Amino acid sequence: DAEITQSPRHKITETGRQVTLACHQTWNHNNMFWYRQDLGHGLRLIHYSYGVHDTNKGEVSDGYSVSRSNTEDLPLTLESAASSQTSVYFCASSTGKGGREIEQFFGPGTRLTVL
Amino acid sequence: GQNIDQPTEMTATEGAIVQINCTYQTSGFNGLFWYQQHAGEAPTFLSYNVLDGLEEKGRFSSFLSRSKGYSYLLLKELQMKDSASYLCAVRDSSDSWGKLQFGAGTQVVVTP
Repeated sequence: DAEITQSPRHKITETGRQVTLACHQTWNHNNMFWYRQDLGHGLRLIHYSYGVHDTNKGEVSDGYSVSRSNTEDLPLTLESAASSQTSVYFCASSTGKGGREIEQFFGPGTRLTVL
Repeated sequence: GQNIDQPTEMTATEGAIVQINCTYQTSGFNGLFWYQQHAGEAPTFLSYNVLDGLEEKGRFSSFLSRSKGYSYLLLKELQMKDSASYLCAVRDSSDSWGKLQFGAGTQVVVTP
């Protein structure tokens, strides 16, 4: 079955380290998104991509970067981890075919702790 | 951009009905989504509205009024498994490819 996976599921790192969170989907979706979820803030968009080699900044992109070298993967990199980036990170994907209903499918999430 | 408001928490009894309201302000509107998220899990899609009116899916219904910038999710015959956070999300008309703005979510607690 098609799916979207994230790895690692849990990560503890230290301030200043570079961290990369993986996201892989097998639906062949063009659109991929990275969110962070913090208590009281809901899901906030970090970066998104509408196809290979396309990347765009979301509302909370500072300190994060992404690259899209193929359809299946959108890794999220924290260049120099900060304690404020302790959060739960969700990856999502959706078809880029247009139309009325473009549902996003979410991965299981990665819980990141920055000490 | 958008401003999306929904209540923080609601409590209801098993078997009852609960209505979760969502109001939004946006420069352009191109659809509203409701997602359900159980604690420690990923959000899952519940419903989509782009035209005014009611969309019904079993025990769950979603309503939209574009002129009022208002939607609600109605949960009927509540079950214990409905205890979850419910997220309202809006798609802006300037982006037809699927980028969403989410509200902070409404935690629904179902009691016996």
